[in-house]
Formats: sequence, C-alpha cells, structure tokens
Amino acid sequence: GAVVSQHPSRVICKSGTSVKIECRSLDFQATTMFWYRQFPKQSLMLMATSNEGSKATYEQGVEKDKFLINHASLTLSTLTVTSAHPEDSSFYICSARVIQGAYEQYFGPGTRLTVT
Amino acid sequence: AQKVTQAQTEISVVEKEDVTLDCVYETRDTTYYLFWYKQPPSGELVFLIRRNSFDEQNEISGRYSWNFQKSTSSFNFTITASQVVDSAVYFCALSEDGSGNTGKLIFGQGTTLQVKP
Repeated sequence: GAVVSQHPSRVICKSGTSVKIECRSLDFQATTMFWYRQFPKQSLMLMATSNEGSKATYEQGVEKDKFLINHASLTLSTLTVTSAHPEDSSFYICSARVIQGAYEQYFGPGTRLTVT
Repeated sequence: AQKVTQAQTEISVVEKEDVTLDCVYETRDTTYYLFWYKQPPSGELVFLIRRNSFDEQNEISGRYSWNFQKSTSSFNFTITASQVVDSAVYFCALSEDGSGNTGKLIFGQGTTLQVKP
C-alpha cells in the first residue's frame, strides 16, 4: 500500500523559533498533498492544499506567512511554522493524493509540535 | 456548504457488543465521496472505506459494515462483535467532486469508541 512519512514525529521548540515538518510519499508520486491540523480531542482541520510546482492554496483563516508550504517535488512537501508560539502547539498531519486512482488520500503518521 | 456531523461524541461498549457509529452529511454536489477513518491512540489515520455517491450498496468487510442511505444523507458504520483493539476515534469525511476536483476532505468531529474487556 501507499506509504506517507512525516519527519519529525515530535518536536519541541521555543517560542519565536521556526520549525520545518517534512511530508514524503515513499512509494508513489503525489501531485497534491494536504496539510491538516488537529487540536487535542478535536477533528482534523484542513490548513492548505499543496500542489507540486505551484503555490499552496490556504484555507480561510490560515496565515500563509506563518505556515509556509513548499511542494518542491512529487514526493516531498514541507510545512514551516515560522515564529512559533504556544498556540501553534498541535498535531500536524499531511496526506498525499495519488495521481492515478480515484480520490484516495494516504495520511502520514503526524507530527506533534509543542512550543514552549 | 459541506458539512459532516457525527453526533455521538463518545461511545462505550463491552467487548463482543455490536456498535453503530452515525454519520450525517450535507452537500449540494451530486457527485461526492464518503470516507471512514480510524485514528488509534498513536494518532495515525487508518483508511477504512470510500464510497461514491452513486453506489448505495452496503458493504461488509469482516466485522465492519457500512450503511449508505442517500435519502437520509447518512453513512453509518457498524462494528460487529467489538474488540478492545477497536478502541479509537473514528472519523467520517466527505470529499466534493465539483469543478476543480480538489480532493479536499471535510471531517466530522469524530466519535471516540471505547471497548471495554
């Protein structure tokens, strides 16, 4: 089956620093990757849609200058949380959509970010 | 606007009981896809099923079964003879298929299932 990895799985950083999270599709190519955010005991909220070679499309209310997304290749998308604050602490999950096939998205294991 | 409602926040059952998780959706699209995902304590989402709007056939996979009814905009999920390993948060999700075919998923709030031994 299709595998998506995320790195790191957990990260703790100090307030004001930036953190980069990588999302990789390991055995398939993905023109589209999605970034979700999940607060404790809540649902997943889509942050942005990332298309290879073009600018990401952000959902309403998501600060594009704070959450920088780069989809440089068909197997890698990165999310950088800039100038992180404690309220950015959350579980960040990416998913990758296969090129062929209908609508399957494969999710990464998630990255737990804690900002102190 | 698209919306997915999982009215049951938490369900607790004893092992071997059957349990049904409800999912009601709203969409203006005539073509759409419905999904169920399982999120165990580890956090990783596990894909369970995808159903398109033109296929109302119910599906059974082992102890899992799904009942899709367009007339009531529901896509309910039943676990038969539940096991402790079924304990997790279950999410129902909707994907539009309008112009652009973005593939965006709209998730319900999730139902936490606890299966006690």
